[in-house]
Order: sequence, then structure tokens, then C-alpha cells
Amino acid sequence: AQTVTQSQPEMSVQEAETVTLSCTYDTSESNYYLFWYKQPPSRQMILVIRQEAYKQQNATENRFSVNFQKAAKSFSLKISDSQLGDTAMYFCALPSGNQFYFGTGTSLTVIP
Amino acid sequence: DAGVIQSPRHEVTEMGQEVTLRCKPISGHDYLFWYRQTMMRGLELLIYFNNNVPIDDSGMPEDRFSAKMPNASFSTLKIQPSEPRDSAVYFCASSHRARRGNEQFFGPGTRLTVL
Repeated sequence: AQTVTQSQPEMSVQEAETVTLSCTYDTSESNYYLFWYKQPPSRQMILVIRQEAYKQQNATENRFSVNFQKAAKSFSLKISDSQLGDTAMYFCALPSGNQFYFGTGTSLTVIP
Repeated sequence: DAGVIQSPRHEVTEMGQEVTLRCKPISGHDYLFWYRQTMMRGLELLIYFNNNVPIDDSGMPEDRFSAKMPNASFSTLKIQPSEPRDSAVYFCASSHRARRGNEQFFGPGTRLTVL
């Protein structure tokens, strides 16, 4: 069965600093995708970044990057130069078949 | 594209009343998902449709919940009768099977409060 674990319920970071959110997962599939979604106070779920498992290069989207370690089944999200607008819940997600398996989320607060 | 549209954004009702939540998926998407989000249980998949057909409703908590998708551009989630424990944010999401990684696009959610 697919599982996604986020072990950090809450985190905080000073504005302009870097923060890393952790995610581990389990899957029996050999090729798969992983996603990070952001949910700001407005509630809208927004895709931040995705990683395809067979690609060795870590995905990057502007200030957001991932550290994907396939053997360890780890998929962490790094946010550089944190901004106040990054304050949100962050969910790690593993699609399998037609479903998404979500972690429990990490609440990130950026402190001015 | 307008994205996934949900209505209403907020709903306050009294216990025992019927509640209907509405969703319009992104045009051309063939999968539609209903989720419930609470502090205690996080994001839960309730049901999903493919080409308007319900595929998996194992997440529907009980018979008080029902969902329909009469056509490709409209779906409803109904709770009858509603109970205070149904208070949550309900999300609708859609995806297109051919999209890379089957990314799901979420609506803004409906915050339901049952008094």
C-alpha cells in the first residue's frame, strides 16, 4: 500500500532564510511521480513542484527545489529566500493509479 | 480556463438539514474527485469519477453522503441529513488522464458548518 509521511507538523523560518520540509513515502511501483502542494490561508491547493521518479535530476521551480532520494524513499522540499507569502500548509502527495495519497501536511510560518 | 469552480464557498446549516455542494471541473478533464479536509483527519478522498461514472466510493463515510455526476461539467455531493461532525472543508478536484503525473487541480473548497 502507498503511504506518505510528513513528520513535521509545524515549522517556522525567518524571512529570506532557507527551510526544508521532509516527506517520506512507500510505494511498490517502479516509476511514479511525487508532488508538493501548497495550501495558503485562502484554502486553495496549488501545485508547487513535481518530480518524476526515473529522473535523477532534482526538480527546481524558482525558489523551490526538491531533494529526491529514491533509494531512501525521501522527497524533501527546500524553499530558498523565504517570503511572507510562503506561509501555508504544505502537502506531499504520491499519485498511484487514479488516486493521490497525501501526507498530513506541514504548517510553515515565515516570520518577518 | 476558469479552473475548478465550487459553490457555495461557505455553507452554514442546522443539524438534520440537507446540504448540496456543487462542482464544475475544468473542461476536458475526465476525472473528478471529492475530498474532505478536517484538522483531525487531514485530506480524505471521498469518491472519484471517471467519465462521469463513480469508480471508487469507499471513502464515503456513510449512507448519508451521496455524489452524482450527471454530465462532464457538473457534480454534486449531498449530505442528508447533516450532522455537526460533517463540518469540514470539502474540495473538488479534477484531472486529465493524459497529463504528466495526473496532476489534480483543486477548487477553492466549500467550508461547511453544521450547527
